[in-house]
Amino acid sequence: QSAPTQPPSVSGTPGQTVSISCSGSNSDIGSNTVDWYQQLPGMAPRLLIYKNDQRPSGVPDRFSASKSGTSASLAVRGLQYEDEADYYCAAWDDSLPGRVVFGGGTRVTVL
Amino acid sequence: QAQLVESGGGVVQPGKSLRLSCAGSGFLFRSYGIHWVRQAPGKGLEWVAVISYDGTKEFYGDSVKGRFTVSRDNSNATAYLQMNSLRHDDTARYFCANSDTFWGWMESWGQGTLVTVS
Repeated sequence: QSAPTQPPSVSGTPGQTVSISCSGSNSDIGSNTVDWYQQLPGMAPRLLIYKNDQRPSGVPDRFSASKSGTSASLAVRGLQYEDEADYYCAAWDDSLPGRVVFGGGTRVTVL
Repeated sequence: QAQLVESGGGVVQPGKSLRLSCAGSGFLFRSYGIHWVRQAPGKGLEWVAVISYDGTKEFYGDSVKGRFTVSRDNSNATAYLQMNSLRHDDTARYFCANSDTFWGWMESWGQGTLVTVS
């Protein structure tokens, strides 16, 4: 069960913009929409972005995402200390029926 | 406000069984699919299984296929994860999450329940 690839960590100072990449395959990201989840330290994950670029109500517009081909990316503009968390991309995988794959996760550190 | 509460975790010996529950409230439980996702200590998220809103479709991750079974009782707004033949590498916090479309995203998450196989 191969997983989309994310950088293990990214960092930035308050106010900066950081980006997280998510590289998949034709059967997952290439064939399905991408969702992003944020997991604050010690907390459960929460939905951050769905259907490639849609924000649920309550998610600040500092968070944006896009998808192209077999890759996706998440950008955090105006980085804040409260954004320090783990971020995961996810997509359904058509290689076997009915399977979801998560990326390995990216730790965002605010310096 | 949707709420999901997992229960049933604990310490269990290798080879034994455990059943987790996921109780939903604040949303129309019978209209939502339920996913199970786990997280081993210090590791990332791993998708485990999903069951459709009506229980007619269920799918599993490779690492649990043949050992774990999902089910649901819509009359009690509860989903279950039956875990058999538990192994050390099943040690993780197990989360449930709802999804209003079967092939869609995981909308709301519970806080998880910890399973330790030792």
